[in-house]
Amino acid sequence: EAQVTQNPRYLITVTGKKLTVTCSQNMNHEYMSWYRQDPGLGLRQIYYSMNVEVTDKGDVPEGYKVSRKEKRNFPLILESPSPNQTSLYFCASTSPVNYEQYFGPGTRLTVT
Amino acid sequence: DQQVKQNSPSLSVQEGRISILNCDYTNSMFDYFLWYKKYPAEGPTFLISISSIKDKNEDGRFTVFLNKSAKHLSLHIVPSQPGDSAVYFCAASEGTYKYIFGTGTRLKVLA
Repeated sequence: EAQVTQNPRYLITVTGKKLTVTCSQNMNHEYMSWYRQDPGLGLRQIYYSMNVEVTDKGDVPEGYKVSRKEKRNFPLILESPSPNQTSLYFCASTSPVNYEQYFGPGTRLTVT
Repeated sequence: DQQVKQNSPSLSVQEGRISILNCDYTNSMFDYFLWYKKYPAEGPTFLISISSIKDKNEDGRFTVFLNKSAKHLSLHIVPSQPGDSAVYFCAASEGTYKYIFGTGTRLKVLA
């Protein structure tokens, strides 16, 4: 079954404590993305990756890092989280055939 | 400046009737448009897409129309079913894998 998994699903942390949200896909897609969803703002792209070791900034990259050391995994790293990064985060993997994106179930992050 | 806009935050439709969700964009370089549906506590799921070289694409009960001169696209759901109640996002891309999403429209189909 085509799948994108994210962990953890829920996370409450404190300001400044580094965290990583993992993302993995089993479809052998080259392209993956991270989004955040906030009320009234829809989904905004944080970072995307076109292939292993190739990443680029989306619309809201400040405060985030990513890495792509292998095709299936695309972790999102918050080196020093702040309360304005409290949000719902989605990882997505894109089919090269029709640009369809497969989204993970989401990670709800609260930074206090 | 929002490049993709969904101006109706919510829409209610009677079961069996047509639902029409609208989306406007400002960037004429967008060449691919997609619609996603999102249920609470789940990630968005792909519904239907359209290339900028077409003006209509159909998939079962879902049809997307693209009016390039007006920079407007719409999603038609016929007939609407209670299970269609969800938040719908339109998205656009500009020949790359960079996507811009609208803010979403919450559809409620009344039984």
